[in-house]
Amino acid sequence: EAGVTQFPSHSVIEKGQTVTLRCDPISGHDNLYWYRRVMGKEIKFLLHFVKESKQDESGMPNNRFLAERTGGTYSTLKVQPAELEDSGVYFCASSQDFPSVNTGELFFGEGSRLTVL
Amino acid sequence: AQSVTQLGSHVSVSEGALVLLRCNYSSSVPPYLFWYVQYPNQGLQLLLKYTSAATLVKGINGFEAEFKKSETSFHLTKPSAHMSDAAEYFCAVTNQAGTALIFGKGTTLSVSS
Repeated sequence: EAGVTQFPSHSVIEKGQTVTLRCDPISGHDNLYWYRRVMGKEIKFLLHFVKESKQDESGMPNNRFLAERTGGTYSTLKVQPAELEDSGVYFCASSQDFPSVNTGELFFGEGSRLTVL
Repeated sequence: AQSVTQLGSHVSVSEGALVLLRCNYSSSVPPYLFWYVQYPNQGLQLLLKYTSAATLVKGINGFEAEFKKSETSFHLTKPSAHMSDAAEYFCAVTNQAGTALIFGKGTTLSVSS
């Protein structure tokens, strides 16, 4: 079974440009999460999808960030326009039924590293 | 509010020595607690989780953690470190709604021969 896959693994862009990160969750996982880790800081929650609906987007930093999940499958996170402070590693995670005792686990992708120059 | 504090951003041990990674949490509701590990160039992998069953939780690769409510702690231990344990370790607690994880800053474990 394929795990959570993220693309691209690394993106280098200039301030003011646009970047779109993609996440393909594990097949059948309704829950999809985006997290971000800025260098030296903790991994911070951005938002949570249940199927195609945004369950919680309280962690989105500002309106330059737009997340979508088409048809409840893959998700994209667009940053437009990118700023220097957006640099970091963006992690995607999925789960079948979090955080129930039996299946309470988030499965993480390897992350997309974004560098804004 | 939910939060996690990991004491020590970097821990170094010798191969065969005890590993102790500290985690204290704050939670306004009964918490679910997790330890994740990240090896270089990989995603986060679940080591173990506490979900209100046994307070001593055993995970993969010989790791275990004990939930101590009185101390609000969930420290991770392994009796004998192996070189392959070198990685970054993250403690996490569920948010108040129980729908997402809140992570600590991580602890990098180095193992020397």
